[in-house]
This record gives sequence, structure tokens and C-alpha cells, in this order.
Amino acid sequence: GESVGLHLPTLSVQEGDNSIINCAYSNSASDYFIWYKQESGKGPQFIIDIRSNMDKRQGQRVTVLLNKTVKHLSLQIAATQPGDSAVYFCAEIPYNFNKFYFGSGTKLNVKP
Amino acid sequence: NAGVTQTPKFRVLKTGQSMTLLCAQDMNHEYMYWYRQDPGMGLRLIHYSVGEGTTAKGEVPDGYNVSRLKKQNFLLGLESAAPSQTSVYFCASSGGENIQYFGAGTRLSVL
Repeated sequence: GESVGLHLPTLSVQEGDNSIINCAYSNSASDYFIWYKQESGKGPQFIIDIRSNMDKRQGQRVTVLLNKTVKHLSLQIAATQPGDSAVYFCAEIPYNFNKFYFGSGTKLNVKP
Repeated sequence: NAGVTQTPKFRVLKTGQSMTLLCAQDMNHEYMYWYRQDPGMGLRLIHYSVGEGTTAKGEVPDGYNVSRLKKQNFLLGLESAAPSQTSVYFCASSGGENIQYFGAGTRLSVL
């Protein structure tokens, strides 16, 4: 089986409910933030991004909220589907964009 | 469009053996990265490259070497594998638009 999801915080939701996944970042100078989704046995996939001069950005069924005061990022998934089951992690990028710093991730389990 | 391709997908090595992981991207990206991913931990940057002929150390470079002789390829070498290098390795590339595109990963076991 896939070892990526072991020892990670896990969020279990019912199909159709909304999911909220949280991420605390460490560098107040980070300029850009990205959420990635990683399905079992696959590489991370880009979901949505947000710049530090914004506090909210919406995509298709996903919304990212940024609270710079407490250095907190959240990913909201509307009407969660079984296909949303994966590990989700955030990345923070400083202004020079050369390096990304990734969180350890949250495993989302969607119950049918 | 293949995107980022990693070879091999799986490998088992004995302690002390050497091997090279290949990453190829067809998006004409300048930036390429090698990460390792261990259970319960986030992606940790091993080495990266900001263009052909350049390489730089990341967070956990010890025991690894890299080369970027061609823009589309980024090679990760293990000269003398150790059990601590058992991990899943991901390659990524970026065109500078702030999004990294990842390969499917290489699962390496060192016995």
C-alpha cells in the first residue's frame, strides 16, 4: 500500500458534505501559497494558489482562505466526492520563488 | 503531453550499490527539483536546478548528487546507497509561473 498517508492527520467526511483542511505556515515573508492534492501512488497535483496580497480565492468547488495575521491557510472543498479522497498539503513560497516549502499534509477520507 | 516522466518507477538496491534516477520534462521548463517523501513527512528538497548546467543544494543533499546537462533532464545519483535513503523520490519542474509539476515518483528500497 501507499506509505505517504501514514501518521498524517486524517479528516473523515461524508460524501456531499463540505471539507475544510487547514495548514499553518511558518514564514511571514512567504509571498505565495499553493495547495496540492496527492492521490495514492501518484505525484502531487496542483489544486489552487493564492498570493499574499489576497485573503480569498475561489476555484471549481474549492476555496482557499489566507489569514496572514495568524499565518494560517485553509482549503475548503464543497460537496466532497469520493474522488476527493487523497492527501492534501500546502506549500509556501518566498518572494524569490526558487524553493517551495511543503507541509506534511492531511489525509482526507470521503465516506460514501 | 507527457509532462514530467520519472524512471524507473520502482527499484530495490543493496547497501553500497549505486544508481541514477532520471527525470525528463517536455514543457521547456527552466527549473527542476528533486524531493524525497517519507511517511508522515512533507516533501523535502534534495537538490534543484534553475537552468541547464546549474545545480544547487536543497534541504537534505547529503548522499546525493545531481546533474543538469540538458535542459529537459535532471538526474539524481546515489553513489553508495544506505537504508536511510529508502523513500519515494519525486521530480518536479517549473516554468517560473510558481506552479511545480510533479512526476509519478520512484519508490526506492535499500536493503
